[in-house]
Amino acid sequence: LAKTTQPISMDSYEGQEVNITCSHNNIATNDYITWYQQFPSQGPRFIIQGYKTKVTNEVASLFIPADRKSSTLSLPRVSLSDTAVYYCLVGLYSGGYQKVTFGTGTKLQVIP
Amino acid sequence: DAGVIQSPRHEVTEMGQEVTLRCKPISGHDYLFWYRQTMMRGLELLIYFNNNVPIDDSGMPEDRFSAKMPNASFSTLKIQPSEPRDSAVYFCASSFPGGKEANVLTFGAGSRLTVL
Repeated sequence: LAKTTQPISMDSYEGQEVNITCSHNNIATNDYITWYQQFPSQGPRFIIQGYKTKVTNEVASLFIPADRKSSTLSLPRVSLSDTAVYYCLVGLYSGGYQKVTFGTGTKLQVIP
Repeated sequence: DAGVIQSPRHEVTEMGQEVTLRCKPISGHDYLFWYRQTMMRGLELLIYFNNNVPIDDSGMPEDRFSAKMPNASFSTLKIQPSEPRDSAVYFCASSFPGGKEANVLTFGAGSRLTVL
């Protein structure tokens, strides 16, 4: 399972775009990149997943460069309710079994 | 679907007592995961099942911890005897098998355990 590195914490003002970058230098060919969001006192919640280039949904965008050694989660115009911990995961069920392990995550604090 | 259902939501017990946490995964999800979360250690994977069979329990901290999945709709995590350092939030999660879907976990609300 590819190891990921992301900033421990970030602060942002309301209304700004927030970009959280995750490094995964040893990502394997078949690995997908998955992001989760966790609010206090709740379990993590799936946000977005991608393999290459760009993926967008109603919550966020995920940018993945051609070498796939990093990825950037983009949250447009954040609000106070986006204050949470964001986890980046890399891995794929590949016919064997895949442990889904979480790193330390990035604690995003949105400031009024 | 009601999502992943965990019980109890809160449990306070005394050291040495047996604790049983329960989980009902989403119907059709073949993977079931148990995690533990603390401030110091973050979110740790304890054990996971595929089609009711334990696949990897290397994250289970000690023999005091055991997990079972007698059928596709129910799993338990048992701690016997419990110790104060077991105090944490325990999450259950489930996912579909295969491909990228295996990385899309749905988590329950968690069981907050306090051992006095």
